[in-house]
Amino acid sequence: AQKITQTQPGMFVQEKEAVTLDCTYDTSDQSYGLFWYKQPSSGEMIFLIYQGSYDEQNATEGRYSLNFQKARKSANLVISASQLGDSAMYFCAMRGPFSSNTGKLIFGQGTTLQVKP
Amino acid sequence: EPEVTQTPSHQVTQMGQEVILRCVPISNHLYFYWYRQILGQKVEFLVSFYNNEISEKSEIFDDQFSVERPDGSNFTLKIRSTKLEDSAMYFCASSYNSPLHFGNGTRLTVT
Repeated sequence: AQKITQTQPGMFVQEKEAVTLDCTYDTSDQSYGLFWYKQPSSGEMIFLIYQGSYDEQNATEGRYSLNFQKARKSANLVISASQLGDSAMYFCAMRGPFSSNTGKLIFGQGTTLQVKP
Repeated sequence: EPEVTQTPSHQVTQMGQEVILRCVPISNHLYFYWYRQILGQKVEFLVSFYNNEISEKSEIFDDQFSVERPDGSNFTLKIRSTKLEDSAMYFCASSYNSPLHFGNGTRLTVT
């Protein structure tokens, strides 16, 4: 069975500094996808970044990068130059084999990030 | 940019009543989902829908729940007889390949 673990319930970071949010996963599948979503206090789920299990390079999207360590089964999100608007809940999620016709995501418990001015 | 639209944004209902949560997925998407999030907790998968049928459902998605795509654009979640523990944020999502695009959610409060 697939499992996603986020061990940091809450994190603080000073504005303009970088922060790493941890995510580990467990799966017996060879092909899978890893995602990070941001949920601000307004409640919507905003897609940030995606990493496929066969991608050799770490994914980057603007200030977001995914530190993918396949052997360790970790997919940490790095936010560079934190901004006050980054304060939110962050969820790591995993999708199963691409051959599956469900495409469902399994989510971790989430990490609440607070950016201090 | 196209988006997933959910209505209503907030619904209050009495225990035992039926509710229908509505969603308009992104038009060229093929996969549709419902998730729920009890306040402050993790996002839980309820059901996935593909090719006009349920492709997978979780153990949460019991006989009280049903989904429909009645007209090729709307995607609905019906809860037949609501319980207090059904109070949660319900998210609809759709995808063509990846990632899933989520709606803004419907906050359901059962009193």
